[in-house]
Amino acid sequence: GQNIDQPTEMTATEGAIVQINCTYQTSGFNGLFWYQQHAGEAPTFLSYNVLDGLEEKGRFSSFLSRSKGYSYLLLKELQMKDSASYLCAVMDSNYQLIWGAGTKLIIKP
Amino acid sequence: TAGITQAPTSQILAAGRSMTLRCTQDMRHNAMYWYRQDLGLGLRLIHYSNTAGTTGKGEVPDGYSVSRANTDDFPLTLASAVPSQTSVYFCASSDSGPDTQYFGPGTRLTVL
Repeated sequence: GQNIDQPTEMTATEGAIVQINCTYQTSGFNGLFWYQQHAGEAPTFLSYNVLDGLEEKGRFSSFLSRSKGYSYLLLKELQMKDSASYLCAVMDSNYQLIWGAGTKLIIKP
Repeated sequence: TAGITQAPTSQILAAGRSMTLRCTQDMRHNAMYWYRQDLGLGLRLIHYSNTAGTTGKGEVPDGYSVSRANTDDFPLTLASAVPSQTSVYFCASSDSGPDTQYFGPGTRLTVL
């Protein structure tokens, strides 16, 4: 079967760094996406990785290792507005997105 | 630009009644999707359409139907609602299948 695993909840301090992990087992791989979802709102696109390595975009970076079926999202200089759920999704061989349940990130002052 | 709009924002529906959730995008995207999001679960694909005139079944299609008469609109119909269809429904679109998906604001549906 297809499976995406990520922690249910994480807590971090304002100004710090946090890493959210995602492991996956899917039928085929056509890229991995990270989305941010604030409570009561729609998911919004953060990053896309299809090749191994690190993609940096401002305070957010995303890493992919296809051989390990592993990705992480790194958030630096955390701000209160970063409190949200972070969703990991893998595009399978049929170009359908398989979604993890999301990681709720709580930022404390 | 508006992007993707969904209507209604929320709805309470009696079991056994039918309902159509509306989704419209103005980005001229070819592909559109309907997902449901339930607490503790990932987004689950209900139906999708890769281009106007075609539709396909996702992971959880039972009890739902869709149509894609034109590029912009992708309505989702519940023929006879059941309480297990209580959920938040998101419509999304992408330029094509492999591209980034962009989401509408969602419809919160409660079936009693």
